[in-house]
Amino acid sequence: GQQLNQSPQSMFIQEGEDVSMNCTSSSIFNTWLWYKQDPGEGPVLLIALYKAGELTSNGRLTAQFGITRKDSFLNISASIPSDVGIYFCAGHAIYNTDKLIFGTGTRLQVFP
Amino acid sequence: SQTIHQWPATLVQPVGSPLSLECTVEGTSNPNLYWYRQAAGRGLQLLFYSVGIGQISSEVPQNLSASRPQDRQFILSSKKLLLSDSGFYLCAWSGGSDTQYFGPGTRLTVL
Repeated sequence: GQQLNQSPQSMFIQEGEDVSMNCTSSSIFNTWLWYKQDPGEGPVLLIALYKAGELTSNGRLTAQFGITRKDSFLNISASIPSDVGIYFCAGHAIYNTDKLIFGTGTRLQVFP
Repeated sequence: SQTIHQWPATLVQPVGSPLSLECTVEGTSNPNLYWYRQAAGRGLQLLFYSVGIGQISSEVPQNLSASRPQDRQFILSSKKLLLSDSGFYLCAWSGGSDTQYFGPGTRLTVL
């Protein structure tokens, strides 16, 4: 099935740095979701976006629904060690709103 | 508030043995339910989803099956496991919005 293009694939940063990752699609999406997955656990929803141009924050996290409805980005400011994990974007394409399409994930490693 | 449970948390099974993984949701009615599989270091692959009791849609042909005997119970089964069935199995639910919420997962190792 279709997967979203998520980049970068992995990031190795120092504590305190800002992080940016993005997700792109060739199709128009109605919804963009960002999840974080810790090792051995299920993904946890971070931010949900429902309108083009929408900018939403959750603590140090900020995500935006792209104007073209074909992309989204997630920023993490002032990273801390507990930000380590895999971040997945996901969304519902307009051609099939029943199924959630996932990105390939961005693995984030934070060094103290 | 809503919670989602998966059982068991980990499972080691021999090739050819049967499988039954259970997912239950609390605090909501008539949820949409989903089974995903995640290979090590990879993304999530949708296996089955259900919009109601007895209603199952299969995404990928394989030797797995799903059933929904009760409104908030979703079961993933196999009659004979293959080595390739190893992975991390995640159950998820959604309500009226497009957002899906995931359970803690079951780590299955087939030897």
